[in-house]
Amino acid sequence: DAKTTQPNSMESNEEEPVHLPCNHSTISGTDYIHWYRQLPSQGPEYVIHGLTSNVNNRMASLAIAEDRKSSTLILHRATLRDAAVYYCILRDGGGATNKLIFGTGTLLAVQP
Amino acid sequence: NAGVTQTPKFQVLKTGQSMTLQCAQDMNHNSMYWYRQDPGMGLRLIYYSASEGTTDKGEVPNGYNVSRLNKREFSLRLESAAPSQTSVYFCASSVFRGGASTDTQYFGPGTRLTVL
Repeated sequence: DAKTTQPNSMESNEEEPVHLPCNHSTISGTDYIHWYRQLPSQGPEYVIHGLTSNVNNRMASLAIAEDRKSSTLILHRATLRDAAVYYCILRDGGGATNKLIFGTGTLLAVQP
Repeated sequence: NAGVTQTPKFQVLKTGQSMTLQCAQDMNHNSMYWYRQDPGMGLRLIYYSASEGTTDKGEVPNGYNVSRLNKREFSLRLESAAPSQTSVYFCASSVFRGGASTDTQYFGPGTRLTVL
């Protein structure tokens, strides 16, 4: 599985946008980019995923670089509830299994 | 609709004791997974079951056994607990009919296990 690189931690102020970067320079053509987050003392939860085009859902937006070697998760207006560890994960679109390979993620702190 | 449930929530064991962690899902998912998370680390896959009747090793299977009891339930057993198995254990499930591209995993709340 191709690996991802994320900053260990980031800070944001409440109600401001947050841009969480992820580098994946060895991404293959069939790899999808998935984001999960883990709130304190909870299991991870799915946030968003994409292949080549930018994606939006009710939780966040995902901006994917044209060469696909990096991506950015965008929280448009951070709330205190968004304080969590955010994981960027590559998933093989043609894989025979559904394993998730977690890195250490980015710990996002949101200040009031 | 409870999603993924895990029991117990907390457990303290002595070295050498055995126990089984229980996991159940009510979403009619085909695949189920067991992960462990050590402090400050990401989750690591212990075992998974792609479908009822099948189980496979993940990244860190040593010291564990699993049973896919039926489509709903997937248990994790520690036969002889060791302090190195002190961790938070998460169960997850997903639909997964082949092709991992858009399949989402749903996680339970976790079991916090301490081995003394």
